[in-house]
Amino acid sequence: DAGVIQSPRHEVTEMGQEVTLRCKPISGHNSLFWYRQTMMRGLELLIYFNNNVPIDDSGMPEDRFSAKMPNASFSTLKIQPSEPRDSAVYFCASSFWGGGSRSYEQYFGPGTRLTVT
Amino acid sequence: GQQVMQIPQYQHVQEGEDFTTYCNSSTTLSNIQWYKQRPGGHPVFLIQLVKSGEVKKQKRLTFQFGEAKKNSSLHITATQTTDVGTYFCAVYTGANSKLTFGKGITLSVRP
Repeated sequence: DAGVIQSPRHEVTEMGQEVTLRCKPISGHNSLFWYRQTMMRGLELLIYFNNNVPIDDSGMPEDRFSAKMPNASFSTLKIQPSEPRDSAVYFCASSFWGGGSRSYEQYFGPGTRLTVT
Repeated sequence: GQQVMQIPQYQHVQEGEDFTTYCNSSTTLSNIQWYKQRPGGHPVFLIQLVKSGEVKKQKRLTFQFGEAKKNSSLHITATQTTDVGTYFCAVYTGANSKLTFGKGITLSVRP
């Protein structure tokens, strides 16, 4: 298995531009997570999906951020318009969730390093 | 929501020394996971603990779940430079598939 795939790996953009980050989870996983990591704030959960349905987006900073999961093998995180404070590493992770009380390990993608100038 | 504390955030050790770090919660945990993130890398799952008092070993790493299931420890015997990175604990909140991650502890090892 190729693991979780993210693209692009690096993105440099100017303030005000739209940024779209992409993620392909591991085949067979039914939970997908978007995280943001900075030195100041650490690893933050932005949003997660179960079976392609958004479950909790309370971590999304503001309306400039949106995420979609049109099918089980693809998700996007969009920032429009981007701002310098959005500069961070964005990770996508996937896991299998059986619906019970047991949790399963998350597999992280390599991340997208976003720089907004 | 449920939170887990990892203090301190940074620790420096001499190569060959032992290292122990803790993950603490004010509430009883159903399980706990540990992840490692190498510098410039992404978090990688290490282990999951479920039972009270459970101990698991991975080579020089020993993980333990507290008897009251409110804390966990990670012990590294005879640290090596390959152990550098940030170690996160994460707990299942019981809400769907969400994990709550601690702030992590960044370990540096002096050769």
